[in-house]
Amino acid sequence: AQKVTQAQTEISVVEKEDVTLDCVYETRDTTYYLFWYKQPPSGELVFLIRRNSFDEQNEISGRYSWNFQKSTSSFNFTITASQVVDSAVYFCALTMNRDDKIIFGKGTRLHILP
Amino acid sequence: DTEVTQTPKHLVMGMTNKKSLKCEQHMGHRAMYWYKQKAKKPPELMFVYSYEKLSINESVPSRFSPECPNSSLLNLHLHALQPEDSALYLCASSHSERGYNEQFFGPGTRLTVL
Repeated sequence: AQKVTQAQTEISVVEKEDVTLDCVYETRDTTYYLFWYKQPPSGELVFLIRRNSFDEQNEISGRYSWNFQKSTSSFNFTITASQVVDSAVYFCALTMNRDDKIIFGKGTRLHILP
Repeated sequence: DTEVTQTPKHLVMGMTNKKSLKCEQHMGHRAMYWYKQKAKKPPELMFVYSYEKLSINESVPSRFSPECPNSSLLNLHLHALQPEDSALYLCASSHSERGYNEQFFGPGTRLTVL
């Protein structure tokens, strides 16, 4: 069975602190894709990153970085020098190559306090 | 144009009403999706259209009726809804229905059923 676990339901940090959001996934497929989406209070989910199962390179985009480790089935997301605008719910998600269903984690609600 | 638009933003309806939610994208995407999202939960897939044909119906009650008039438009017709159907309804699109494609989400319609 496929599953995504985001153990952190809610996190609060003070602005400018670094914060890491954890994501652990389960699948028996060898080809799969991992995603992070951001959902601000406005409601729209915003795509942040996609990683395929054959590419374990870490990625950095500005203050955002992602650490993909197949050995621990994890795809963690770090925000460096957090800002109030980073406050949102963040979803980690998994898809398989054979279909188009997204398996979402339950989300982590991130509060950045000024 | 990298946007998915949804109308209306908010909708309040009685249990005997008939209403429709509309979604539009002009990115040339060939897959479109309807999701239902309850508060503090991840989105739940309802329907998938691929090349204007219904490819997935996640056992959604018949009081929800999707329609894809053309490749850019997706409607969700609502009839005889229940109060528990109150939720945020999100539309999304992707290049195709394969799992490696990220989905682009609209801002959603907040539906309240009285």
